Amino acid sequence: DAKTTQPTSMDCAEGRAANLPCNHSTISGNEYVYWYRQIHSQGPQYIIHGLKNNETNEMASLIITEDRKSSTLILPHATLRDTAVYYCIVKGNFGNEKLTFGTGTRLTIIP
Amino acid sequence: GAVVSQHPSRVICKSGTSVKIECRSLDFQATTMFWYRQFPKQSLMLMATSNEGSKATYEQGVEKDKFLINHASLTLSTLTVTSAHPEDSSFYICSAMGGLGTDTQYFGPGTRLTVL
Repeated sequence: DAKTTQPTSMDCAEGRAANLPCNHSTISGNEYVYWYRQIHSQGPQYIIHGLKNNETNEMASLIITEDRKSSTLILPHATLRDTAVYYCIVKGNFGNEKLTFGTGTRLTIIP
Repeated sequence: GAVVSQHPSRVICKSGTSVKIECRSLDFQATTMFWYRQFPKQSLMLMATSNEGSKATYEQGVEKDKFLINHASLTLSTLTVTSAHPEDSSFYICSAMGGLGTDTQYFGPGTRLTVL
């Protein structure tokens, strides 16, 4: 069962902010929102995760709505190297809870 | 921090042979490691979860006798594809969890297996 819904693909101009949406309307109170990305023929790269507060790190910002039913990953200044498939995943943060990958959003940064 | 390596990065083997893939957490101790498989143009599919010193837990439809997993230490897990066939050709990716005080999974770079 898909717990998240993401657009299949998006384009963004180089240097602009890339905003990737994710819907997770059935998220449970103890589930976190995780974002990973996968560049072609590589393993997924962890980007960021959050529970209910907005989060920021050196790679991106994560904005989670107050009702937690959706979130947005923001890459503030997209570069060509940000072209990848971005996965939004909800997961509990205890035990060996697994990551279930959906189809993600294929983000293409355009020069 | 949180670096995971895999070896080999690419392997080609003949049908019927066995192939071993190693997954190492380089700068943290991984209490749990996961093995995924990814076919072309598809998403990652979890194959199994392994905890150090115990038997792996396999996902439904994954043959445990064909995909042998050993997690003998907190920094090393191995996946052996036994009697490989062309349909086992895929991108195998491991992840490790348990370091740095979080439940975040960190992934290796993947191993491309081609069975002739």
